Amino acid sequence: QVQLVQSGAEVKMPGASVKVSCKASGYTFTGHYMHWVREAPGQGLEWMGWMHPNGDGTNYAQKFQGRVTMTRDTSISTAYIELTGLISDDTALYYCVGEPPGTGKFDYWGPGTLVTVSS
Amino acid sequence: QSALTQPASVSGSPGQSITISCSGTSSDIGGSNLVSWYQQYPGKAPKVMISEVSNRPSGVSNRFSGSKSGNTASLTISGLQAEDEADYYCSSYRSDITYIFGTGTKVTVL
Repeated sequence: QVQLVQSGAEVKMPGASVKVSCKASGYTFTGHYMHWVREAPGQGLEWMGWMHPNGDGTNYAQKFQGRVTMTRDTSISTAYIELTGLISDDTALYYCVGEPPGTGKFDYWGPGTLVTVSS
Repeated sequence: QSALTQPASVSGSPGQSITISCSGTSSDIGGSNLVSWYQQYPGKAPKVMISEVSNRPSGVSNRFSGSKSGNTASLTISGLQAEDEADYYCSSYRSDITYIFGTGTKVTVL
């Protein structure tokens, strides 16, 4: 049974950084791309970036380049996203999403981690 | 381009068919077969309904079908049911090795 377990909700001040984790089980962690998608309150889905299955490659949406870093620790099947220079518009639910390579199919979704940016 | 263009809302009566469009460019939908559709209920994570333009994952009702023509993809729901009331998003792979989502469509069953 596939499961993605994400870290708990965070409240951050503007200008701070946040790091969200996503622990995978039930499928081959190193055989899938890991994407991060966010959903701001009342807004739609926004793709942020992906990490290659072998962990050597990442690609980020232009909007987040310079502020986002995606990493992983294969020893514990956990992916991470770090977002720096937080602003109020970064308040959103952040999802980790697994994709079988070459399908473009966002198959496995975590429950989301709520990040609130507020002074 | 920050998002693919979808109608904000589509509605239909039970048993009817509805179609949701997703308009992009030659750099995304028009140039890729990695077009997917997602269903999302309030407070829940999205679920993939269609992948690679028209492939239906195991367990998804055959009332859902996908297609593409040029720079526009479409999701058709036939035999509309109350349980189909949800938000729907398209997504596409892009030529710069990124992905993009649609603006989202709220489906209402009258």
